[in-house]
Amino acid sequence: KQEVTQIPAALSVPEGENLVLNCSFTDSAIYNLQWFRQDPGKGLTSLLLIQSSQREQTSGRLNASLDKSSGRSTLYIAASQPGDSATYLCAVTLNNNDMRFGAGTRLTVKP
Amino acid sequence: ETGVTQTPRHLVMGMTNKKSLKCEQHLGHNAMYWYKQSAKKPLELMFVYNFKEQTENNSVPSRFSPECPNSSHLFLHLHTLQPEDSALYLCASSLNYGNYQPQHFGDGTRLSIL
Repeated sequence: KQEVTQIPAALSVPEGENLVLNCSFTDSAIYNLQWFRQDPGKGLTSLLLIQSSQREQTSGRLNASLDKSSGRSTLYIAASQPGDSATYLCAVTLNNNDMRFGAGTRLTVKP
Repeated sequence: ETGVTQTPRHLVMGMTNKKSLKCEQHLGHNAMYWYKQSAKKPLELMFVYNFKEQTENNSVPSRFSPECPNSSHLFLHLHTLQPEDSALYLCASSLNYGNYQPQHFGDGTRLSIL
């Protein structure tokens, strides 16, 4: 059974720092991996999607990497800003189309 | 604005009440999903509808009853809920189910069971 783990559960950093969020999954047979952002009381917004054949995707200050063989992905946020404060969720899409989510990392960027 | 609207945004109900959650999408999608998000736990898929037909029911208790009258609307009927059912209920939609189409999420209904 596919399990997705995100470490740390919570992270607090000062503004301007570069940071890395981690995601691990137990079964490498995935179709793709997505990073989502969730603001308090809101739904999920897709940030980056990496297909299983890809190694990384970039969007602005965000860079996501995927190492399928080791079951790991990282989300790198450069020059963090208070507006980046949110919960970041990692999700893998399995080959049967189902998605499995991690519990998220709650990020706080202090001014 | 994601194109997926959920109402109400917040709901407080007693264990003996009956209420319904509503989801509407304006994206022309054919697949709709209900997820449960409990505090500090991963999202759990509850139900999937594709072209109004239920394709997934992940061992959800019968006190949750979904209804999909058409591809744009999805309901979750609630009755005799338990305190552990308090959670954020998220609706999502995608173009189709089974073709790895990205899902678009609503803002959820925060449900509290007294």
